[in-house]
Amino acid sequence: EADIYQTPRYLVIGTGKKITLECSQTMGHDKMYWYQQDPGMELHLIHYSYGVNSTEKGDLSSESTVSRIRTEHFPLTLESARPSHTSQYLCASSDSGQGTYEQYFGPGTRLTVT
Amino acid sequence: AQSVTQPDIHITVSEGASLELRCNYSYGATPYLFWYVQSPGQGLQLLLKYFSGDTLVQGIKGFEAEFKRSQSSFNLRKPSVHWSDAAEYFCAQIREADKLIFGTGTRLQVFP
Repeated sequence: EADIYQTPRYLVIGTGKKITLECSQTMGHDKMYWYQQDPGMELHLIHYSYGVNSTEKGDLSSESTVSRIRTEHFPLTLESARPSHTSQYLCASSDSGQGTYEQYFGPGTRLTVT
Repeated sequence: AQSVTQPDIHITVSEGASLELRCNYSYGATPYLFWYVQSPGQGLQLLLKYFSGDTLVQGIKGFEAEFKRSQSSFNLRKPSVHWSDAAEYFCAQIREADKLIFGTGTRLQVFP
């Protein structure tokens, strides 16, 4: 079954650590996205990719970086985690060939930086 | 700037009652509109979408939404709510380059 996966689901880490949030999809979608969601708030786009070797920053400024070396994989990295990075991070993908603009979301990673 | 507004932060209904969640979108000649649902600790699941055609769209789990251009609205409805419908609901609109802009969400509580 085609799906989109995120690991870890929960992460508690100390300030200054480097972390990578994983996102993989098995649907062959060309477009992938990272959103940041604070409790009770809307989702804000922080990164997106239109295909391999394509990455762009989203609307919300983020100290994180992303890479897209393979179609199915879109990891997000924080070089030095800070308490202000505490949030939920949601990964999504879509197929531009379908013309439906529907985005499929992973279950999210809840990050807590102490 | 384009925006999506969900006026109701929190709604409480009794099980079996009808439900309407409000959503207003900003200007767009041909808005592409979505409703997503997010259960606690989960990602977002698409309930329904509107691109064109019939202004009343049917979705999963018995939900429907009506597009009203004159009111810039895309309200979500369900005739009879089930306890399992308790979740956070997000309205969203496509803007340029296939990016989604979300409303702030409406938290639905269902009492037995």
